[in-house]
Amino acid sequence: GAVVSQHPSWVICKSGTSVKIECRSLDFQATTMFWYRQFPKQSLMLMATSNEGSKATYEQGVEKDKFLINHASLTLSTLTVTSAHPEDSSFYICSAEDRVPYNSPLHFGNGTRLTVT
Amino acid sequence: DAKTTQPTSMDCAEGRAANLPCNHSTISGNEYVYWYRQIHSQGPQYIIHGLKNNETNEMASLIITEDRKSSTLILPHATLRDTAVYYCIVRVQGAQKLVFGQGTRLTINP
Repeated sequence: GAVVSQHPSWVICKSGTSVKIECRSLDFQATTMFWYRQFPKQSLMLMATSNEGSKATYEQGVEKDKFLINHASLTLSTLTVTSAHPEDSSFYICSAEDRVPYNSPLHFGNGTRLTVT
Repeated sequence: DAKTTQPTSMDCAEGRAANLPCNHSTISGNEYVYWYRQIHSQGPQYIIHGLKNNETNEMASLIITEDRKSSTLILPHATLRDTAVYYCIVRVQGAQKLVFGQGTRLTINP
């Protein structure tokens, strides 16, 4: 089945630094990838839609200058948390869809746990 | 977006069938019903999806009512490893993104 890989699986960084998270579709091409954030005991919240070769579309309330998304190829999207603060500590999850009709399932990575100290 | 309503939590005995309900009364005609589950500290795992007809795969069965306003996910022989949060999601019409609700926390008891 389709595999989405995220890296790193966990990261600890100091407040004020930037962290990059990678999301790769390993065996299919994804024109669109999605980034979610999940706080403890809460559901996944969609942050942005990442489109290959164009600017990402951010959900309301998500700061595009803080969460930089780059989707430079059909198999790779990156999320950079800039000037991270402790409140950015969360579980970040990406998903991707194969280039088939829109009713096919999205596949998810295993997430990246970010801790900002 | 069509919204879904699920019970907050459910319990099921190991080896029994787990039946998870979902209401989606505002679903549109060409929107699919998807089910995912999330085991603690992992990404969501796709289970099954359907439009009108009942569907079955190696993981589960999906029963959709004739009026499509509700559905039930059935795990035929639940194991301890099926303990997870189960999300019922209606695919946004004309778009690709999945919007998650709060899901059902299913606990399989030995």
